[in-house]
Amino acid sequence: AQTVTQSQPEMSVQEAETVTLSCTYDTSENNYYLFWYKQPPSRQMILVIRQEAYKQQNATENRFSVNFQKAAKSFSLKISDSQLGDTAMYFCALRPSGSRLTFGEGTQLTVNP
Amino acid sequence: NAGVMQNPRHLVRRRGQEARLRCSPMKGHSHVYWYRQLPEEGLKFMVYLQKENIIDESGMPKERFSAEFPKEGPSILRIQQVVRGDSAAYFCASSPGAGKAYEQYFGPGTRLTVT
Repeated sequence: AQTVTQSQPEMSVQEAETVTLSCTYDTSENNYYLFWYKQPPSRQMILVIRQEAYKQQNATENRFSVNFQKAAKSFSLKISDSQLGDTAMYFCALRPSGSRLTFGEGTQLTVNP
Repeated sequence: NAGVMQNPRHLVRRRGQEARLRCSPMKGHSHVYWYRQLPEEGLKFMVYLQKENIIDESGMPKERFSAEFPKEGPSILRIQQVVRGDSAAYFCASSPGAGKAYEQYFGPGTRLTVT
């Protein structure tokens, strides 16, 4: 079985500052994919960034980057230069063998002006 | 290229009625996944289908829930005799292939309210 844990139910950050969201996971697979999804008030699930476990280099997408620590099974998301539009629920997700995604419980991020 | 489409976006049913949720995958995608999001929770996997086949239904409740993805037409998630605990957002995702390398694209979800 695989699990994903997000230990921060809520976080807030000032506009233009940097914030890091935490995620830990557990799986017996050696090769898998990790994702961060954003769910704004519209409830649409939007892919923010993905990481392949066999790649040591941390993924980066513009202001979003991850810190992937495979041995520690940790996958945190860093948002730089936070914008008001970043306010959303953020979900960490794991995709080991097979096709299903396993999601964490989410972190509600609020960006304050 | 239109994204994943789900309808209706909002559905209200009384206890004991049936709910039918539809999902049209992206063009060229033959793999469909259904997830359920209860209030204040993350998404939970329900079922994975390919055209005319159920591949993995390990997340589906044993009773009242069924899913299909016919050769022609959308995928349908059917909930019979709904109860208040079925109130949730139901998301469909599609991908062009099987396996972890293929990204899943999500639809906007159907919010089911059982009164």
